[in-house]
Amino acid sequence: QKEVEQDPGPLSVPEGAIVSLNCTYSNSAFQYFMWYRQYSRKGPELLMYTYSSGNKEDGRFTAQVDKSSKYISLFIRDSQPSDSATYLCAMSAEGYNQFYFGTGTSLTVIP
Amino acid sequence: GAVVSQHPSWVICKSGTSVKIECRSLDFQATTMFWYRQFPKQSLMLMATSNEGSKATYEQGVEKDKFLINHASLTLSTLTVTSAHPEDSSFYICSARDPGRLNTEAFFGQGTRLTVV
Repeated sequence: QKEVEQDPGPLSVPEGAIVSLNCTYSNSAFQYFMWYRQYSRKGPELLMYTYSSGNKEDGRFTAQVDKSSKYISLFIRDSQPSDSATYLCAMSAEGYNQFYFGTGTSLTVIP
Repeated sequence: GAVVSQHPSWVICKSGTSVKIECRSLDFQATTMFWYRQFPKQSLMLMATSNEGSKATYEQGVEKDKFLINHASLTLSTLTVTSAHPEDSSFYICSARDPGRLNTEAFFGQGTRLTVV
């Protein structure tokens, strides 16, 4: 079983839609949860960072963590064509040196 | 946010030659840097963890003699692909952690697209 599972998509939505991206994980020690956005042929850039459970909002982006279900989500409101990219979830824990990444979900927002 | 610079952004080389990729942390000192490989439409595959002043830790299945990693200073790590072959063609990405920031926040370089012909 992979440490982190993420539906690779692709996901295609019309402009203005609400997008929901999700990851599940198996390691209950994970307590740091990150979402990265990666444009084609570029390195990933950090979008959201969440510690432990709960919600975090930043503009049109909301990250949710449900540790009891081992499930994290990223919501994008009022999606824009510029949001078209691959979104990667990543996780880690105290004392862990490496990150565990999902496979990434490819998102296309159609104007 | 913190900046990690990776150079070159793309390189084409002949089969059998070696290629060096540099990863620099521009505004912080990175005691640990990570090297990843990414195939099209796939996630990041950790190749090795580079620790300043000591030998890199390689993931299972990664040939340490083929992918030489050097982390000679707190701001620079290099990955050298030796005797490159077409199957080494891939997107290589480095990341670094800023110990002065959040516990596990990491920043990525722009990536290097290597094509071996």
